[in-house]
Amino acid sequence: SSELTQDPAVSVALGQTVRITCQGDSLRIYHAGWYQQKPGQAPVLVMYAQNTRPSGIPGRFSGSISGNTASLIITGAQAEDEADYYCNSRDTSGNHLVVFGGGTKVTVL
Amino acid sequence: QVQLQESGPGLVKPSETLSLTCSVSRGSISAYYWSWIRQPPGKGLEWMGYIHYSGTTNYNPSLKSRVTISIDTSKTQFSLRLTSVTTADTAVYYCAREIPIAVAGERGAYSMDVWGQGAAVTVSS
Repeated sequence: SSELTQDPAVSVALGQTVRITCQGDSLRIYHAGWYQQKPGQAPVLVMYAQNTRPSGIPGRFSGSISGNTASLIITGAQAEDEADYYCNSRDTSGNHLVVFGGGTKVTVL
Repeated sequence: QVQLQESGPGLVKPSETLSLTCSVSRGSISAYYWSWIRQPPGKGLEWMGYIHYSGTTNYNPSLKSRVTISIDTSKTQFSLRLTSVTTADTAVYYCAREIPIAVAGERGAYSMDVWGQGAAVTVSS
């Protein structure tokens, strides 16, 4: 399969922990990239290669992978973390196509 | 830090061709993969295709018959052409750089580490 599946929406209380998951066969072969998108803005890479944060991304963001499921974890969620989060990877076709998950809307309560 | 900037018409008529250019500044275009991604209003991200700096291209099968991506390394820019557009092609179009990541273990990794700010394109008569 070349699809990546994400829950459409999750909510988290301020200061609590939220896990955003991304499931797909391609994740057995490729690590997921994770992107945060706030309204009216371009996506920003927040996690790659399982658990590596680009410069400037807060340490409360972490990542993990198990089997065909990648997770982005926000520990101690802040109001500014409210956004859409997308995962992506290359696909399993052998043609090196790129696939995105459908996105997860994270609401911080 | 590499910067990307999309440019092109914001309004295209149905059945015509959408053309956008992504200008790369503060870095080289002669490495990595250069992608186009679009986002219809209120919807998620859709990868359209990429071009490797060597000129090799790869396209989303759902768009393959209508999409062409080209690169001009002398101008440090790459371009998107989408033919026979319809209102369903109304979207914000992003360009992005994708880099391969060397990681230990069995899995490979690629990440889109730099994005343009996006160009809103409306298809309407």
